Amino acid sequence: AQSVTQLDSHVSVSEGTPVLLRCNYSSSYSPSLFWYVQHPNKGLQLLLKYTSAATLVKGINGFEAEFKKSETSFHLTKPSAHMSDAAEYFCVVSALNTNAGKSTFGDGTTLTVKP
Amino acid sequence: NAGVTQTPKFRILKIGQSMTLQCTQDMNHNYMYWYRQDPGMGLKLIYYSVGAGITDKGEVPNGYNVSRSTTEDFPLRLELAAPSQTSVYFCASKILAGGSYEQYFGPGTRLTVT
Repeated sequence: AQSVTQLDSHVSVSEGTPVLLRCNYSSSYSPSLFWYVQHPNKGLQLLLKYTSAATLVKGINGFEAEFKKSETSFHLTKPSAHMSDAAEYFCVVSALNTNAGKSTFGDGTTLTVKP
Repeated sequence: NAGVTQTPKFRILKIGQSMTLQCTQDMNHNYMYWYRQDPGMGLKLIYYSVGAGITDKGEVPNGYNVSRSTTEDFPLRLELAAPSQTSVYFCASKILAGGSYEQYFGPGTRLTVT
């Protein structure tokens, strides 16, 4: 079994300030973890992924996340928010090599960026 | 590569009508998935397939059917549409090899049942 909890449904930051989107997971398998971004009325774009290699993962657009097994967390960060970062963000857990690769999505975090 | 394509992009159905949502991928991925996304929510798995001829239920399969006769195609059938099926539907595919593991998503189909 696996599950994902995104700890904040809404996060609001000012442009140029840091972003932190929190994600906790549970999994009976060796997990792979992902962050996706979805802009309004658009599809999902992969930001970054963890698949059992380096625990600090760098993604696109300056985002990064750190896999912490002891805390079962995979928080997403960015040093300086940009207006274009305003979107919905989803944390996803998937079994690495079993469970038919099925993924479980968090309910999402809406990021608002104020000028 | 076109990736994952879905048709139609939008559709309005009346209650009780049926329709098929099409999904095709050209990446030779063995795993394919159908999700629905309700407003303000994450994606919920409807059905999935681990290869041609093999399908299985996800979290929310009621009211839907699928088939997988080829590697490329994974259509989703709605029989007797209900307002509760109003949602955005995403198809995805992946391959569990080569250090990849992420899903590739189609652009989605926005379905309204009235």
